[in-house]
Amino acid sequence: ETGVTQSPTHLIKTRGQQVTLRCSSQSGHNTVSWYQQALGQGPQFIFQYYREEENGRGNFPPRFSGLQFPNYSSELNVNALELDDSALYLCASSPSGFKETQYFGPGTRLLVL
Amino acid sequence: AQSVTQPDIHITVSEGASLELRCNYSYGATPYLFWYVQSPGQGLQLLLKYFSGDTLVQGIKGFEAEFKRSQSSFNLRKPSVHWSDAAEYFCAVLYSGGGADGLTFGKGTHLIIQP
Repeated sequence: ETGVTQSPTHLIKTRGQQVTLRCSSQSGHNTVSWYQQALGQGPQFIFQYYREEENGRGNFPPRFSGLQFPNYSSELNVNALELDDSALYLCASSPSGFKETQYFGPGTRLLVL
Repeated sequence: AQSVTQPDIHITVSEGASLELRCNYSYGATPYLFWYVQSPGQGLQLLLKYFSGDTLVQGIKGFEAEFKRSQSSFNLRKPSVHWSDAAEYFCAVLYSGGGADGLTFGKGTHLIIQP
């Protein structure tokens, strides 16, 4: 069984640019959550998607947006990048009916210069 | 607002010794509690979870955790650590019924294993 995968693994952008990160959820999982982990910190919840709809959001501005596709894969888009957006972005998927249990991918490390 | 406190930023343990990592959470109805481990540059691996029932839960890699409602704690234990246990450990909480099921994480405890 394939776990959660994310692409790309690393990315470098400049301030003001836009970025798209991708996540493929684990087979049988229909809920995807995104987290931002700054260096030396615990992950912070950005938002969650369930059946292609945003299911809830953490304390992040609207320039953080997302999509979930019919195959339950997901994208995280960040517009107008700021230096503080440099972080590890983690995607987690949850099994159908068990959205409390989240299984994480390896993450995408974003550096904003 | 819900919060998770991991009081120990770093812990050093000798290989073969026992381990306890502390976690306290802010009060909330029906907390779901988790421990995750993160190796350098990697994502998070779920060690164990507590939803209800027996307050002592067993996880992978020989870890266990005990839920104590009176102390708002969910401490992680292992009777004998191995050098491969060196990693960052995160406690997380989720309150069901409050909308999106986003986990709230502590800041982590960095575990160092001495030979």
